[in-house]
Amino acid sequence: DAGVTQSPTHLIKTRGQQVTLRCSPISGHKSVSWYQQVLGQGPQFIFQYYEKEERGRGNFPDRFSARQFPNYSSELNVNALLLGDSALYLCASSSNNNSPLHFGNGTRLTVT
Amino acid sequence: DQQVKQNSPSLSVQEGRISILNCDYTNSMFDYFLWYKKYPAEGPTFLISISSIKDKNEDGRFTVFLNKSAKHLSLHIVPSQPGDSAVYFCAASVGANNNDMRFGAGTRLTVKP
Repeated sequence: DAGVTQSPTHLIKTRGQQVTLRCSPISGHKSVSWYQQVLGQGPQFIFQYYEKEERGRGNFPDRFSARQFPNYSSELNVNALLLGDSALYLCASSSNNNSPLHFGNGTRLTVT
Repeated sequence: DQQVKQNSPSLSVQEGRISILNCDYTNSMFDYFLWYKKYPAEGPTFLISISSIKDKNEDGRFTVFLNKSAKHLSLHIVPSQPGDSAVYFCAASVGANNNDMRFGAGTRLTVKP
């Protein structure tokens, strides 16, 4: 079975630009979560979507938004990019709210 | 605010010996704890979990111990193998709910042959 897939794997953007990251969960998984991992730190929770509804939001500014589609795939959007948004963005899926997360390999975003 | 702390950024052990990775937390509301392993260029992989109703959970070579009074948990790997070399993250949440899971900064384990 395919795991969680994320695209693109790497991305370079300029300050002020906008970026969209994509995630396909494991087949049958209805919950998708997004995490940001800055170098030297652990992943930090951004969003969770379950059955296409936002179920939780971490301490991130409104420049960050996400959505989940009917096929349970998800997009994370970041507007007005800042240098500090440079990080590894991880998507994770699970079969329900009480099962461990399965992470994708992440999208490495570099903002210059 | 760092509610989950892994104070050892790195650990090196000899193959066959025990590896002990430690994690402390400050939020007494946390009642579900997990360990993830991460290889370079890959996402974290779930290893083992424990709920606050237990003080020990074992899965093969991996055992997690929870000391609620000390707000401390540890991961024991016995025997350690070179393939265990990776970054290990401790994570905690309120409820067995992956919504807003808090991660530590990770400990890089190196197992020498």
